[in-house]
Amino acid sequence: QQPVQSPQAVILREGEDAVINCSSSKALYSVHWYRQKHGEAPVFLMILLKGGEQKGHDKISASFNEKKQQSSLYLTASQLSYSGTYFCGTVQGGKLIFGQGTELSVKP
Amino acid sequence: DAMVIQNPRYQVTQFGKPVTLSCSQTLNHNVMYWYQQKSSQAPKLLFHYYDKDFNNEADTPDNFQSRRPNTSFCFLDIRSPGLGDAAMYLCATSQRGGYEKLFFGSGTQLSVL
Repeated sequence: QQPVQSPQAVILREGEDAVINCSSSKALYSVHWYRQKHGEAPVFLMILLKGGEQKGHDKISASFNEKKQQSSLYLTASQLSYSGTYFCGTVQGGKLIFGQGTELSVKP
Repeated sequence: DAMVIQNPRYQVTQFGKPVTLSCSQTLNHNVMYWYQQKSSQAPKLLFHYYDKDFNNEADTPDNFQSRRPNTSFCFLDIRSPGLGDAAMYLCATSQRGGYEKLFFGSGTQLSVL
């Protein structure tokens, strides 16, 4: 079953922050986050394997709340290069199923 | 550099004419996936191989077939492409399945005329 992402789209000014949420009706054991630019393949951002785990690099970080069956991606002080579609993915039966995506646009 | 390579980058075929997309990997990963991505949609898993073990998604049309002759190569065959099969096809690999990072190829954009 496909995880649900919110919001569907976000428009930011450079330097603003954003949060993208991913939730599942099924138990979550791991959550992946990818970013995809138009016409390109998804690029791996991070994977969270344990409930309560938080990860981050540069100004992009994520948290994983196993009990609530959700994960959130945090983008701080957004840059133009952050524009793209962000997908979360949850593992079901050993395979990765993607959410419907959140389109992020960062304007100068 | 070790990587996942898809050929061709763009493929144009005619309605009903069989087409094969290819994927190769130098990562020596056990698992290879084929995803279909239509415009403004999420990648949708078609099937995957865990080593030689083939796993078909329940809603993957019979029109789509796959072959994995060895660890490095995997092929997607579309027997009779329809207009609705126009999409980006993404190949991905991982060592031990979905609990690890997926490595994606650059994709093949398929057009059906």
